[in-house]
Amino acid sequence: AQSVSQHNHHVILSEAASLELGCNYSYGGTVNLFWYVQYPGQHLQLLLKYFSGDPLVKGIKGFEAEFIKSKFSFNLRKPSVQWSDTAEYFCAVNSNSGYALNFGKGTSLLVTP
Amino acid sequence: EAQVTQNPRYLITVTGKKLTVTCSQNMNHEYMSWYRQDPGLGLRQIYYSMNVEVTDKGDVPEGYKVSRKEKRNFPLILESPSPNQTSLYFCASSRLPLAGASPRAYNEQFFGPGTRLTVL
Repeated sequence: AQSVSQHNHHVILSEAASLELGCNYSYGGTVNLFWYVQYPGQHLQLLLKYFSGDPLVKGIKGFEAEFIKSKFSFNLRKPSVQWSDTAEYFCAVNSNSGYALNFGKGTSLLVTP
Repeated sequence: EAQVTQNPRYLITVTGKKLTVTCSQNMNHEYMSWYRQDPGLGLRQIYYSMNVEVTDKGDVPEGYKVSRKEKRNFPLILESPSPNQTSLYFCASSRLPLAGASPRAYNEQFFGPGTRLTVL
């Protein structure tokens, strides 16, 4: 079955620490990949997306993600997190066969001062 | 300002009392969708619509109805709400690729602010 897996459900980091959130998917064929962020009490916002081309994608607020086709992965990274990055992060995949977004279960990130 | 709006933002109701959550977008998007978000389950699609009068079931459609009479509006209807429908609901919209565009063409979805529903 097609699925999106986020390995870490809860992550706690200190400010300035580096962040890497894992995302794997199990779709065959061509995919479009997304990371969304949901700050406390707010709606989902797009952090970055990958459709084609350079597998290293840069998004807003210093985030980046790397698409590794052979590993079916799209991990999110940030070299130095800030307290304001405290949020829930969702990986999402759209397969080429439709327009639905399939979301992972989310990773809750808490950044402590 | 381009946006997706939902109303109400918060709703507490009782089992069996019909309710409607409205969703409206001002971006002339063809595609609209409803998701529910539950702890530990992420977002799951309830229904979607490719255009006016074109709707289809998502992954968790049971207990819900939708309609798409106008392009900008996509209300979610709970005819007889039950406590297991207590959740956070998001509406989203996106533009569909133009006819003849690459099969890879895809446009990001824009999300509304969410509606927190509690069914007692």
